[in-house]
Amino acid sequence: NAGVTQTPKFQVLKTGQSMTLQCAQDMNHNSMYWYRQDPGMGLRLIYYSASEGTTDKGEVPNGYNVSRLNKREFSLRLESAAPSQTSVYFCASNDRDSMYYGYTFGSGTRLTVV
Amino acid sequence: AQSVTQLDSHVSVSEGTPVLLRCNYSSSYSPSLFWYVQHPNKGLQLLLKYTSAATLVKGINGFEAEFKKSETSFHLTKPSAHMSDAAEYFCVVSDQTSYDKVIFGPGTSLSVIP
Repeated sequence: NAGVTQTPKFQVLKTGQSMTLQCAQDMNHNSMYWYRQDPGMGLRLIYYSASEGTTDKGEVPNGYNVSRLNKREFSLRLESAAPSQTSVYFCASNDRDSMYYGYTFGSGTRLTVV
Repeated sequence: AQSVTQLDSHVSVSEGTPVLLRCNYSSSYSPSLFWYVQHPNKGLQLLLKYTSAATLVKGINGFEAEFKKSETSFHLTKPSAHMSDAAEYFCVVSDQTSYDKVIFGPGTSLSVIP
């Protein structure tokens, strides 16, 4: 099925450990996004990539880095995890020329930092 | 600056009765407005969108929303609730001018009582 695939689905990290969240889409979308979801706060944008080869900071970029590996893949890296990064992370994509159509979301990565 | 207010953090209805989830927004531009649904432990799915065409927008699963510029509202309704409608609902505003100018509301949790 076409869509956005995120791995892993669940992860527990110790404070200070690093990890990379993977995201891939097969819809030939130009733009990709990383959001975090915390209770009562909706979704907040961490980083986005408007097109292959470009990345930009969103609302809450501190403590994260991203890589747009190619048109399909957009990864999020936590270099030194902190308990404040415990959250659910969603990757999304869309065709920027068709912002009217909203996003397609992955199923999320549930990250706990202890 | 844009903002989104979802007036109820939780709504409970009986199966077969109408659903009303309220959303108010502010935007400096002519906005695009969206409603997304998130079932437990799932990603977000687009329910419907308003993009300056018809003010009454029909979405999936019998949901619809009406854009009222004078009231800066975009309330989500459904004539008859079904058990499968129990989920979290997010109202989203975009001014379409920038990739990061997409604001998610905090969400409304809908419970459906048998």
